[in-house]
Amino acid sequence: DTGVSQDPRHKITKRGQNVTFRCDPISEHNRLYWYRQTLGQGPEFLTYFQNEAQLEKSRLLSDRFSAERPKGSFSTLEIQRTEQGDSAMYLCASREGNSYEQYFGPGTRLTVT
Amino acid sequence: AQKVTQAQTEISVVEKEDVTLDCVYETRDTTYYLFWYKQPPSGELVFLIRRNSFDEQNEISGRYSWNFQKSTSSFNFTITASQVVDSAVYFCALRPHSGGSNYKLTFGKGTLLTVNP
Repeated sequence: DTGVSQDPRHKITKRGQNVTFRCDPISEHNRLYWYRQTLGQGPEFLTYFQNEAQLEKSRLLSDRFSAERPKGSFSTLEIQRTEQGDSAMYLCASREGNSYEQYFGPGTRLTVT
Repeated sequence: AQKVTQAQTEISVVEKEDVTLDCVYETRDTTYYLFWYKQPPSGELVFLIRRNSFDEQNEISGRYSWNFQKSTSSFNFTITASQVVDSAVYFCALRPHSGGSNYKLTFGKGTLLTVNP
């Protein structure tokens, strides 16, 4: 069990560009979450998947954001037309269906210049 | 709506001192879960403990202890004989017991703990 992995760990992009992040959850975990963490704040919920179904999206997830989990395994989070306000750490977490704990990946730090 | 408040933004102690991190929460749910996570400089959130709202027994794990008081909606975390490796940001989080299967976490803003040698 290698834990939750995220790629890339760091991304610097210019305003207006599109970016895509990947999350690979722990293999037997069918629940997957995306959170966003800005400087000096706690993580904020963005979206949730159960297997391949996206069951909840936060109001924080504007139309420029889209998340997928096509085969119920890895997930991608895409941000279109990035803005400076999108600069943050994007965290992925996963859990087993009957488990209480969410296990977090190392995050992808996005900087929009 | 759920809310978690960690009033202490930063705490600095000298190694071997005891330190308590405060957490106060708000929820309308009658049953819920509380969590503490540690975020070292590497950035990865590390799970420390989960507590059920219907179990008010305090818990000790090595140098860590947790004091859950439902009457004051508090779930405080104490590190005894702090060490430099304890330096990190600590987050308190809340999750409903039921009301859907998403079980998303609501986090506080975190407390930055610096343990100086």
